[in-house]
Amino acid sequence: GQQLNQSPQSMFIQEGEDVSMNCTSSSIFNTWLWYKQDPGEGPVLLIALYKAGELTSNGRLTAQFGITRKDSFLNISASIPSDVGIYFCAGQPISGGSNYKLTFGKGTLLTVNP
Amino acid sequence: DAMVIQNPRYQVTQFGKPVTLSCSQTLNHNVMYWYQQKSSQAPKLLFHYYDKDFNNEADTPDNFQSRRPNTSFCFLDIRSPGLGDAAMYLCATSRGGQGRNEQFFGPGTRLTVL
Repeated sequence: GQQLNQSPQSMFIQEGEDVSMNCTSSSIFNTWLWYKQDPGEGPVLLIALYKAGELTSNGRLTAQFGITRKDSFLNISASIPSDVGIYFCAGQPISGGSNYKLTFGKGTLLTVNP
Repeated sequence: DAMVIQNPRYQVTQFGKPVTLSCSQTLNHNVMYWYQQKSSQAPKLLFHYYDKDFNNEADTPDNFQSRRPNTSFCFLDIRSPGLGDAAMYLCATSRGGQGRNEQFFGPGTRLTVL
């Protein structure tokens, strides 16, 4: 099945720094979603992207749907301690089955040092 | 607020003793999903319902069953839990149909098997 390569696996940054993470796929996706998961909680949807080239912001977060439809990135500006958590990308492929199933990346663990 | 609710948040069971996890939603979404998530891994889809139509993933063990008695509720039954079934279980919902189909997750149930 489709696989998403998410990088980096983990990041250690200082408070105030900007962060960038990305996901790539060998297949074309028609939807990209970015989630944040805090320890012991379920993933929370941050940003949803539906069109190639789409750039969307949610507060300090910005995400883009790559022009090739095979990648997406998430940027966090001016990080704060509560940004700590695991960030997952997820996508719905154009081909290969149900419109309703997501393929997940393996996650990026973000640590912010105050 | 519209939401996805999971009960209980923490469940302890004994090896081989059946357990049921519950999920309810106030979003009136057509699709409900059950995921298993182990430590430091992405969520793994077990099965999903589109309305009453049940869709099992090929690699979901027979030990896992699900019921959806109505639009709002969905249950995960583990018939004979093994030590390897200890995990976070996540319920999610999505609208279904064509177009935008973000999945919204509940807070999860942490299952411990003794």
